[in-house]
Amino acid sequence: DAGVIQSPRHEVTEMGQEVTLRCKPISGHNSLFWYRQTMMRGLELLIYFNNNVPIDDSGMPEDRFSAKMPNASFSTLKIQPSEPRDSAVYFCASTLGQVYNSPLHFGNGTRLTVT
Amino acid sequence: AQSVTQPDIHITVSEGASLELRCNYSYGATPYLFWYVQSPGQGLQLLLKYFSGDTLVQGIKGFEAEFKRSQSSFNLRKPSVHWSDAAEYFCAVGMDSNYQLIWGAGTKLIIKP
Repeated sequence: DAGVIQSPRHEVTEMGQEVTLRCKPISGHNSLFWYRQTMMRGLELLIYFNNNVPIDDSGMPEDRFSAKMPNASFSTLKIQPSEPRDSAVYFCASTLGQVYNSPLHFGNGTRLTVT
Repeated sequence: AQSVTQPDIHITVSEGASLELRCNYSYGATPYLFWYVQSPGQGLQLLLKYFSGDTLVQGIKGFEAEFKRSQSSFNLRKPSVHWSDAAEYFCAVGMDSNYQLIWGAGTKLIIKP
């Protein structure tokens, strides 16, 4: 079991550029989450997919953020255009079923720096 | 509104000493409670969880936590810490939905040699 795989591990980009973060969940998991972690706001849920369908995207900060899950083994989080305040660590997590019954498995995160 | 409070931003403990990390929650119903650990540069990993039953729950890596309804607390304990326990620890509460967790701000554990 390779765990949740995120790429890239680090991303440095200039304001205004498009950024795409990638996630491969654990095989067989049907729930996928994108989180953002900052010192100021802690861990925030951005979007939740179940069976590849977005269920709750109320945490997506604004229209500059979008997420897709074209199949059970891949998801992307895109920021266009990026801004310095988007600098954070972005985590992808997956689980089988409900988070209350099955633990969240987190990837190692993507550290995004927007200059 | 539901909330989770971890009052200690960081705690320093000597290696071999006991540890207690505090977590208080505000939630109207019976809570689902979790402790996760984040090692530097890594994602979070589940240590233990409480749903119902015995209020003292055992987790991985020698950790345990006790649910006290009267105090709205779910404190994490370990009798003897190791240098490898240095990490950030997050308490979380499950909301009414089956996927939404409310996360505490985290407590960073520093181990003195």
